[in-house]
Amino acid sequence: EVQLVETGGGLVQPGNSLKLSCATSGFTFSTAWMNWIRQTPGKRLEWLAQIEDKSNNYFISYLESVKGRFTISRDDSKSSVYLQMNNLKEEDTAIYYCTCAFAYWGQGTLVTVSS
Amino acid sequence: DIQMTQSPSVLSASVGDRVTLSCKASQNINKNLDWYQQKLGEAPKLLIYFTNNLQTGIPSRFSGSGSGTDYTLTISSLQPEDVATYFCFQYNSGYTFGAGTKLELK
Repeated sequence: EVQLVETGGGLVQPGNSLKLSCATSGFTFSTAWMNWIRQTPGKRLEWLAQIEDKSNNYFISYLESVKGRFTISRDDSKSSVYLQMNNLKEEDTAIYYCTCAFAYWGQGTLVTVSS
Repeated sequence: DIQMTQSPSVLSASVGDRVTLSCKASQNINKNLDWYQQKLGEAPKLLIYFTNNLQTGIPSRFSGSGSGTDYTLTISSLQPEDVATYFCFQYNSGYTFGAGTKLELK
């Protein structure tokens, strides 16, 4: 059974940082292209970042508006993907999901940015 | 950037109805479109990939069609468990979701 479990969300003040983790099982993580997507309080879904697999040199792409603030990474030995978020803004408040090739999703982790 | 416009934003229908949801892209997306179902409190679930391919385990009452800029998700006979919000998603150029269609029971 494919499982993705996000952790690391919480309440953070504007300007601070947070690192999300996504632990996976049930599929061959090392060949999977992994993504982070968020859903705003208004229910809008927004793709944030993608990291490809080793055969594609772990190529990374970002939504333009988060480039320079968010960093995606992966650890194939732990079947996990991460999202480092810096200089957080109130508009980053959302549920953050990790997905395997957009076919399998975790349950999400809530990030609230507020003073 | 490619914009995805879904219509209607809210749809009320009765059990057994044939339901059609629309998604229009701002430019040709070459059938690179998926449909997702999201029930309250849950993560989105993939229903249809590459316009008309049914994801494993999804009931056959769901189907997709379209080409160019215009795409459709059809539920042939609405069931109570189909109450959800449905999102289209393009991956032809970048990745963009539509705003969703909320499907309710009449």
